[in-house]
Amino acid sequence: DIQMTQSPSSLSASLGDRVTITCRASQSISSYVNWYQQKPGKAPKFLIYAASNMQTGVPSRFSGSGSGTDFTLTINGLQPEDFATYYCQQSYDTPPTFGQGTKVDIK
Amino acid sequence: QVQLQESGPGLVKPSQTLSLTCTVSGDSISSGTYYWTWIRQHPGKGLEWLGYIYHSGSAYYNASLQSRLTISVDTSNNEFSLDLRSVTAADTAIYYCARLATVTTQGFDSWGQGTLVTVSS
Repeated sequence: DIQMTQSPSSLSASLGDRVTITCRASQSISSYVNWYQQKPGKAPKFLIYAASNMQTGVPSRFSGSGSGTDFTLTINGLQPEDFATYYCQQSYDTPPTFGQGTKVDIK
Repeated sequence: QVQLQESGPGLVKPSQTLSLTCTVSGDSISSGTYYWTWIRQHPGKGLEWLGYIYHSGSAYYNASLQSRLTISVDTSNNEFSLDLRSVTAADTAIYYCARLATVTTQGFDSWGQGTLVTVSS
């Protein structure tokens, strides 16, 4: 199985900050990475597909990049509703696997 | 807009079978461009893919659970189901059903709200 490793596991940030979360795959997966946001008590929400494509309705402050084994999710100008846990997921191979998550909380 | 809703018992005894159903509305399971998926999340932990099924009935399972897991589809009622046999406390988790887009995004683009299943005597 392809392992997805996120860093950091958690971070504290202030409103308006730029936040970057990284995800590393255990092998090259081209651009087959998706990103999700999960708030407490809720199901994950699909944010980004194929590393850098925004799902419909996702605010433009979210962006994704990367290819091969290294990927990033960036939030430019953190908003109150962005405090959540973020997961990367590879869609390159079965089984689909997720990173362990990065929790973004208020500094 | 597609909606998914999990249903089933919230408490299952050890060694018994955990059975959940996901009812889909706003889209037809038979539409052919999605895999219908089960994912779970242990309390306070990350996301674990359990398996998915195509409308034809072809199913794919997490190798670690394959011997205990069956996913089935009922296109006439627009729902799909999960049976996990011989459960233990380690199967206590929130279980989500989700839709995997196979042609466009290749991501899990719609999710049920999740249902907590506790394994306990």
